[in-house]
Amino acid sequence: AQSVTQPDIHITVSEGASLELRCNYSYGATPYLFWYVQSPGQGLQLLLKYFSGDTLVQGIKGFEAEFKRSQSSFNLRKPSVHWSDAAEYFCAVGANTDKLIFGTGTRLQVFP
Amino acid sequence: GAVVSQHPSRVICKSGTSVKIECRSLDFQATTMFWYRQFPKQSLMLMATSNEGSKATYEQGVEKDKFLINHASLTLSTLTVTSAHPEDSSFYICSARDETYEQYFGPGTRLTVT
Repeated sequence: AQSVTQPDIHITVSEGASLELRCNYSYGATPYLFWYVQSPGQGLQLLLKYFSGDTLVQGIKGFEAEFKRSQSSFNLRKPSVHWSDAAEYFCAVGANTDKLIFGTGTRLQVFP
Repeated sequence: GAVVSQHPSRVICKSGTSVKIECRSLDFQATTMFWYRQFPKQSLMLMATSNEGSKATYEQGVEKDKFLINHASLTLSTLTVTSAHPEDSSFYICSARDETYEQYFGPGTRLTVT
């Protein structure tokens, strides 16, 4: 079955610290992979996506993610977290850009 | 960037009544829009794909007679929850796909059925 797992429900980091949010997927074919961020009262915003090519993908707001086929993972990273990064983060997978399967999300809290 | 709005942001209705939720692409045309449902602490679940001028395609397990979708124009799709019951209470999110096939999400509508 196709699925996305985000093992961490809630993560707390200090401002300026590095961040890694985990995402593992189960998918029959080579998937399209996405990371979205959701802030209160706002729609999901696309941070980055991977379709093919270089497995290290750069996104907006200083985020990057690395596709590791052998581990079925697509972890999101940021070297230095800002207080404004506090939000809910969703990993998603799909055969294309349409029918996306989302993970349950990771809530990021940032302490000053 | 592209903006998608939803109206209302919150709605409370009595059991047995119907509720309409609007999804608009404000600065682009969207031939395809999507409707998702999100339960607390759970992921977004795709309910249906809405195509302008044609019938919506519903995901398995979604009652098409309960969740009526209309996509009458290139900027507007509506979801009507008919004869709502408390178990229909949820967070409903729409997205609109632009010509580059990227999805832009609305802020969501919180439906509470009493």
